[in-house]
Amino acid sequence: DAGVIQSPRHEVTEMGQEVTLRCKPISGHDYLFWYRQTMMRGLELLIYFNNNVPIDDSGMPEDRFSAKMPNASFSTLKIQPSEPRDSAVYFCASSPTYSTPLLSSYEQYFGPGTRLTVT
Amino acid sequence: LAKTTQPISMDSYEGQEVNITCSHNNIATNDYITWYQQFPSQGPRFIIQGYKTKVTNEVASLFIPADRKSSTLSLPRVSLSDTAVYYCLVVPKTGANNLFFGTGTRLTVIP
Repeated sequence: DAGVIQSPRHEVTEMGQEVTLRCKPISGHDYLFWYRQTMMRGLELLIYFNNNVPIDDSGMPEDRFSAKMPNASFSTLKIQPSEPRDSAVYFCASSPTYSTPLLSSYEQYFGPGTRLTVT
Repeated sequence: LAKTTQPISMDSYEGQEVNITCSHNNIATNDYITWYQQFPSQGPRFIIQGYKTKVTNEVASLFIPADRKSSTLSLPRVSLSDTAVYYCLVVPKTGANNLFFGTGTRLTVIP
């Protein structure tokens, strides 16, 4: 398996522009997560989906951020309009649901991240 | 989710054993202890998970005392490539999937 795929790997944009980040989870995984990482705030969970349905979006900073998962193999995180404080590395992760009671479902597989710079 | 506390940074020489301790005083009965590793410019990677006593895999060992209020990640004979940030997480066996990573421990391996 190719692992979690994210695109683009780097994005530089001007303040006010729309930014769309993309993620392809590992096939068969039914959970998908979007994280943001900065030096100041560390790694923060923004939103996660289960079977394409958003479950918890309480980490989304504000209405400028939106995420969709139209099917099991694709998700987007959109920022409109972008601001300099949105500059960060955005990670997508996916995980399966383990059926055995001995394991928890918390082995998340992370993508390489998208480094976003808003000038 | 139970809060965890771990050292911000550690240094070690190559070839030494490194032990990173994490405290989680409010751990619940159904919680598991999970460790992730993050190399520079990469996403975090799951390395080990345990509930009690000792767990060992090809990467590390995890020691959990009987009261489970702390845990120790042990990396045997570290090399320069083990330089990374190590996150200790406490997660419930069932229920929420949202992980709180905290700031982690930045391990620097010195030649």
